[in-house]
Amino acid sequence: QKEVEQDPGPLSVPEGAIVSLNCTYSNSAFQYFMWYRQYSRKGPELLMYTYSSGNKEDGRFTAQVDKSSKYISLFIRDSQPSDSATYLCAMSPNQAGTALIFGKGTTLSVSS
Amino acid sequence: KAGVTQTPRYLIKTRGQQVTLSCSPISGHRSVSWYQQTPGQGLQFLFEYFSETQRNKGNFPGRFSGRQFSNSRSEMNVSTLELGDSALYLCASSLRGAGTEAFFGQGTRLTVV
Repeated sequence: QKEVEQDPGPLSVPEGAIVSLNCTYSNSAFQYFMWYRQYSRKGPELLMYTYSSGNKEDGRFTAQVDKSSKYISLFIRDSQPSDSATYLCAMSPNQAGTALIFGKGTTLSVSS
Repeated sequence: KAGVTQTPRYLIKTRGQQVTLSCSPISGHRSVSWYQQTPGQGLQFLFEYFSETQRNKGNFPGRFSGRQFSNSRSEMNVSTLELGDSALYLCASSLRGAGTEAFFGQGTRLTVV
């Protein structure tokens, strides 16, 4: 079993739709959770950062962490064609001495 | 505030050669991590440097090495290149450590022929 599982998609939605992206993980020690967006031929861009459980909202983006289920989600409201990219979840148990463990990424396409 | 800068953006090398990639982190960030990204394996951690010391290392052969300078700039070296080393190499800069908020550069696309 991989430490972090993420459905690769592709996920295709019309403009304005609510998008739900998810990752599951197996290591109960993970407590730092991140979502990155990566456009083609670019480096990953940090979208959301959450420590431990709970929700965090930033504009059209909401990140949720459910540690009891080992499940994290990223919601995108009012999706735009510019949101078309690959979304990567990442997590780690500690700030230092460890590295981020990434999911393989979900490819999202938003059509106008 | 300037972001993470990686040079060069693209490289083509021949099998058996060696290559050096460079990364300048965000000002004030002392942690620099390197990742390899391929379509099949995704992002895989290579190593982290913090204040000029290697603090953590991933599961890569010894052909992959790095260093960090006193100004936090970092270099990654790959010796005796193999075709399988073709990948996007990403550098990430962090204030507190590789396991927390990390900001990535645009990457260096290495092609080994």
